[in-house]
Amino acid sequence: GAGVSQTPSNKVTEKGKYVELRCDPISGHTALYWYRQSLGQGPEFLIYFQGTGAADDSGLPNDRFFAVRPEGSVSTLKIQRTERGDSAVYLCASSLSGDGYNEQFFGPGTRLTVL
Amino acid sequence: AQKVTQAQTEISVVEKEDVTLDCVYETRDTTYYLFWYKQPPSGELVFLIRRNSFDEQNEISGRYSWNFQKSTSSFNFTITASQVVDSAVYFCALSQLTQGGSEKLVFGKGTKLTVNP
Repeated sequence: GAGVSQTPSNKVTEKGKYVELRCDPISGHTALYWYRQSLGQGPEFLIYFQGTGAADDSGLPNDRFFAVRPEGSVSTLKIQRTERGDSAVYLCASSLSGDGYNEQFFGPGTRLTVL
Repeated sequence: AQKVTQAQTEISVVEKEDVTLDCVYETRDTTYYLFWYKQPPSGELVFLIRRNSFDEQNEISGRYSWNFQKSTSSFNFTITASQVVDSAVYFCALSQLTQGGSEKLVFGKGTKLTVNP
């Protein structure tokens, strides 16, 4: 079946601009996660959705970052007033449920470059 | 706080050699899960294994094996008879309970494995 998909695969933007990154989870997966991976580092947690609600947004670095999942499926990560330090690969993952028993399936990521 | 340490930044071996990737974790939880993911040059994280904290049995899957030892808080990964296709970055991860009651992953920094022909 189809895996997690993310669009765009690459996004280049200028400092100060607004960007949206989209994630399509595996059908039927209620849990959705966003992670950010900087060069040479492991992924770092940003936010977790269970259904439509953001159950944990403790990893969002500041209030320029926001994410939604209005219908409990597709999610959009929104970054306002982008800064060069936001450049990274943004990974989305989904799992059947939110407990640790079910593995998280990752998408290919969106590489964001802020010039 | 949860933490995962992968002390080996890069490892280079010749094909058919055995190689072990180290992972040491810190947690105060009594119930937790440990994971290994592979990230090939294409970039997509591929799930390899999940282990819960109550199951210390070693596991073998083909050329891959995992050694979980709670006494040393380690979850090491061995590839036997390595192949060029094993070249990738390997991440060890630990589950952490989120505010929302689910489990998020705390990753190590990864070990880049290069298998030369």
